[in-house]
Amino acid sequence: GAVVSQHPSWVICKSGTSVKIECRSLDFQATTMFWYRQFPKQSLMLMATSNEGSKATYEQGVEKDKFLINHASLTLSTLTVTSAHPEDSSFYICSARDTSGRGEEQFFGPGTRLTVL
Amino acid sequence: GESVGLHLPTLSVQEGDNSIINCAYSNSASDYFIWYKQESGKGPQFIIDIRSNMDKRQGQRVTVLLNKTVKHLSLQIAATQPGDSAVYFCAETLLNTGFQKLVFGTGTRLLVSP
Repeated sequence: GAVVSQHPSWVICKSGTSVKIECRSLDFQATTMFWYRQFPKQSLMLMATSNEGSKATYEQGVEKDKFLINHASLTLSTLTVTSAHPEDSSFYICSARDTSGRGEEQFFGPGTRLTVL
Repeated sequence: GESVGLHLPTLSVQEGDNSIINCAYSNSASDYFIWYKQESGKGPQFIIDIRSNMDKRQGQRVTVLLNKTVKHLSLQIAATQPGDSAVYFCAETLLNTGFQKLVFGTGTRLLVSP
């Protein structure tokens, strides 16, 4: 149990286009999901906290108008990278907490590799 | 604060050796710590956790030690296997912050030679 999926697993797009990444909790409900970005050979950096039914909370330095987050249901959060540029190329990872009280563990998705040409 | 690593320190061991991976965490108020394993191109995988009211916790082949005095965390892997090769991250958080924001350490690459 406690599986988190992401789609797509990788995407290549042209500069200026928008890309949507989905994060789904497959066998549990998640009131809160988190979006991270990871550059090569670096650690995970939290971008934003996604809350079901309300606005996301963004970390300092993360542009909310560029990284649109929608958490429309208890099993789905989406991250849209708008007007993507080569510097947005990164590995995007989501995580989710089980709202049923399965402890404090966050379950991570497999990540999405974004390459902007 | 958040950690950004410009490069990953590497620990190279022989199969069968015991490995010790260290982590210095940043917030003295953090009360929950987790070790994650990340293989290339994949998301982090939970290994073991520990709360601040403990100084040691054991799992299967892994042990986490917590020294709150010096804000230090370590992960010990017994009888390291080639399948243990990955990048290991520690993460810290405050359980009473509601959203449980995880702050990740810089990571250590473990290379296990057969």
